[in-house]
Amino acid sequence: QKEVEQDPGPLSVPEGAIVSLNCTYSNSAFQYFMWYRQYSRKGPELLMYTYSSGNKEDGRFTAQVDKSSKYISLFIRDSQPSDSATYLCAMSKSGGGADGLTFGKGTHLIIQP
Amino acid sequence: NAGVMQNPRHLVRRRGQEARLRCSPMKGHSHVYWYRQLPEEGLKFMVYLQKENIIDESGMPKERFSAEFPKEGPSILRIQQVVRGDSAAYFCASSPDLNTEAFFGQGTRLTVV
Repeated sequence: QKEVEQDPGPLSVPEGAIVSLNCTYSNSAFQYFMWYRQYSRKGPELLMYTYSSGNKEDGRFTAQVDKSSKYISLFIRDSQPSDSATYLCAMSKSGGGADGLTFGKGTHLIIQP
Repeated sequence: NAGVMQNPRHLVRRRGQEARLRCSPMKGHSHVYWYRQLPEEGLKFMVYLQKENIIDESGMPKERFSAEFPKEGPSILRIQQVVRGDSAAYFCASSPDLNTEAFFGQGTRLTVV
């Protein structure tokens, strides 16, 4: 079993839809959870950064962490074509990745105009 | 405030040559991390450095790869005697301390021919 599982997609939704992206993990030591957005041939851009379980909202983005289920989600409301990218979940035992972030493979998201 | 700067953006090397990848962290960041992204794969942690020290190199291949972060100047990831399997995107990230999220550069795309 891989440490972090993420459906690679592609996930294609119409503009304006609510998008749900998910990751599961197996290592209960993970405490910090992140979502990155990566456009083609660019570096990962940090979207959301959360510690432990709970919800965090930032504009159209909401991150949820359920440590009991080892499951994290990213919701995108009112999706736009500019949201089309690969979304990577990442997690670590300490903040900032002192022991290295463990990434999912990424979900390729396509927002259809 | 400039982000994490990596150069070159693209690097082509013949098999057996050396590759040197450079990373200048964000201003005020003293923690640097190197990751490798193979085609169709997620980002994989390679090494974590602070100024003049390697803190965690658990993700580094045992041979041909080395990293440094000198007191002055950028961090360097060095790959000796490159092989085709080294072709990948190499990303550098930096953070100001252990408990703060890391920000990524745009990457160096290495192609070995």
